[in-house]
Order: sequence, then C-alpha cells, then structure tokens
Amino acid sequence: AQSVAQPEDQVNVAEGNPLTVKCTYSVSGNPYLFWYVQYPNRGLQFLLKYITGDNLVKGSYGFEAEFNKSQTSFHLKKPSALVSDSALYFCAVRDDSGYSTLTFGKGTMLLVSP
Amino acid sequence: DAGITQSPRHKVTETGTPVTLRCHQTENHRYMYWYRQDPGHGLRLIHYSYGVKDTDKGEVSDGYSVSRSKTEDFLLTLESATSSQTSVYFCAISDVGREAFFGQGTRLTVV
Repeated sequence: AQSVAQPEDQVNVAEGNPLTVKCTYSVSGNPYLFWYVQYPNRGLQFLLKYITGDNLVKGSYGFEAEFNKSQTSFHLKKPSALVSDSALYFCAVRDDSGYSTLTFGKGTMLLVSP
Repeated sequence: DAGITQSPRHKVTETGTPVTLRCHQTENHRYMYWYRQDPGHGLRLIHYSYGVKDTDKGEVSDGYSVSRSKTEDFLLTLESATSSQTSVYFCAISDVGREAFFGQGTRLTVV
C-alpha cells in the first residue's frame, strides 16, 4: 500500500526567510508526486508535480520541490516566504500503474509571520 | 478553477436520514473521486470511478455508496447518515497521467 508522511503538523517561518515543508512517501513502482495548497474554506489547489525528469520541479507562486529517490522524499521549498503563503499544504502520491489513486498526507499548516 | 461543481455546498441533516451529494464536471475527465477531510486525518478516499458505471472502494467506504451513470456526474450517497459522517467532502477529477482538480467542497453536518 502507498503512503505519505508529513512529519510536521505546523511550520513557522518569518516573512522573507526560506521555507521547507517536508514529505516522505512509500509506493510500489515509480512515484508520481504532487503538492497541493488549501486556503481556509476552499478546495485544494494544485501547486506542482513530479512525474519524471529533473529532480527539481518548479510550480506556482514561486514554490519548488526536490525529488530524492534514495530518501523517498519530496520536500516543498520557497526561497522567500510571504505572509500570503500561510495555508495548509498537502503532499500526495500515486504510482505509475495507471490504476492507482492519490494518497494524501495529513497536511502541514504553514504560518508566515510578518 | 477547473470545471467542477459540488452541490449542495452546505447541508445539515438528521441522523438516520439518507443524503446524496453531487459532483458535476465539464472537463470530460475519466476519473472522479470522493474524499472526506477531517482534522488530523488529511484527505481520505471514500470511493472513486474510472469510467461510467465503473466504481471502486477507497479506504473509508463503509456507510457510503456511489453511482456514475454519466461521465460528468458522480453521486455520493450516505444511506443512513451518522454523526461520524460529519465532515467536509471533496470531489476531484483527473485524467490519465494528470494531476487531480478539486471542487470547492461540501460541508455536511449530521445532528
């Protein structure tokens, strides 16, 4: 069975500082990895994905994520945080079989202070 | 937002009553999903569909049933609602090799 771990319930960072939100995964076969963001009372918005190719993936709003196969990780990063980045972030995984469904982590709340 | 509409957006119902939530898409995507979101649990898959009349169970399917008679519509039914089914329900759609797109959610309260 596939699974995702987001070890931090909450990450606090000051505006202008770099941020990292951690994600590790377990899947049989090759992983397809995704990051989503959720603002209060809204649905999930897609940020970025890794399917194949470069290990560093760039996405929306200046976010990027680094795929590390040996560590089975897919950490979300941003060089300079904004207060408006404060939200709930979800990592998700599926395998490449074509029949797999998305499995989500429990989410990490990112709080960016002014 | 992708063409996904969930209805209703909010509902309060009594224990033991049947409830149906609707997800409608205009993207012609093959796959449709129902998730529930609860604090501390993230999103958990209830049921999913990989085509018209083709559905399968997710990890928390007990007490729920689904139907997909048309590509664009995916219905989630709580046959007899219980307080443990109070949650926020999200529909999502995707196509082969694509990311999933989510609806705005339905907040269901069972009293």
